[in-house]
Amino acid sequence: DQQVKQNSPSLSVQEGRISILNCDYTNSMFDYFLWYKKYPAEGPTFLISISSIKDKNEDGRFTVFLNKSAKHLSLHIVPSQPGDSAVYFCAASVAGANSKLTFGKGITLSVRP
Amino acid sequence: DVKVTQSSRYLVKRTGEKVFLECVQDMDHENMFWYRQDPGLGLRLIYFSYDVKMKEKGDIPEGYSVSREKKERFSLILESASTNQTSMYLCASLFRGYWTTTQYFGPGTRLTVL
Repeated sequence: DQQVKQNSPSLSVQEGRISILNCDYTNSMFDYFLWYKKYPAEGPTFLISISSIKDKNEDGRFTVFLNKSAKHLSLHIVPSQPGDSAVYFCAASVAGANSKLTFGKGITLSVRP
Repeated sequence: DVKVTQSSRYLVKRTGEKVFLECVQDMDHENMFWYRQDPGLGLRLIYFSYDVKMKEKGDIPEGYSVSREKKERFSLILESASTNQTSMYLCASLFRGYWTTTQYFGPGTRLTVL
């Protein structure tokens, strides 16, 4: 049973435009969400996170939105740059559960120059 | 800066060999994790540890064991490597901030079992 779903395997956008990466979850106990970026042959790097007490968190070009009622979160990248081309993983955790993360399968973002 | 290092970037082993993957973090973190990443499957948790000599199974522990004798070091052991264990192995260490809790990853070990 996949508790964190990234239903689109890939996304292609033009440089300078907005990239919107979506993530859905099924476990209502999740209360903390993270996005990671991964280049080939490297480990994932942390991008941004959001707690369930908030519905938006911003860090530079990256904004994460959380809709708890819909069990949906999204990562917005504005403006998109070619260096943003990577695999993006959504992850979720339950407070107190030793901070175990449950990951989605990832989405490959390609930003065209 | 949090630093998580893994002993090898690339490894090639033969079926049946015993394989050790080592992970070291320099931030005195209590929680450490081992994942494997496979195309189309995302990151799957193999084992994690929340203290020295403490370990818990993740989602796919079969065929693996772990060792945590010192706080900074978390080892993943493949007792008898098999071809279906060919994968990218990622170690992570947990940072607890006041507002955030984040896992930081090492560079990964690409293991090929022939």
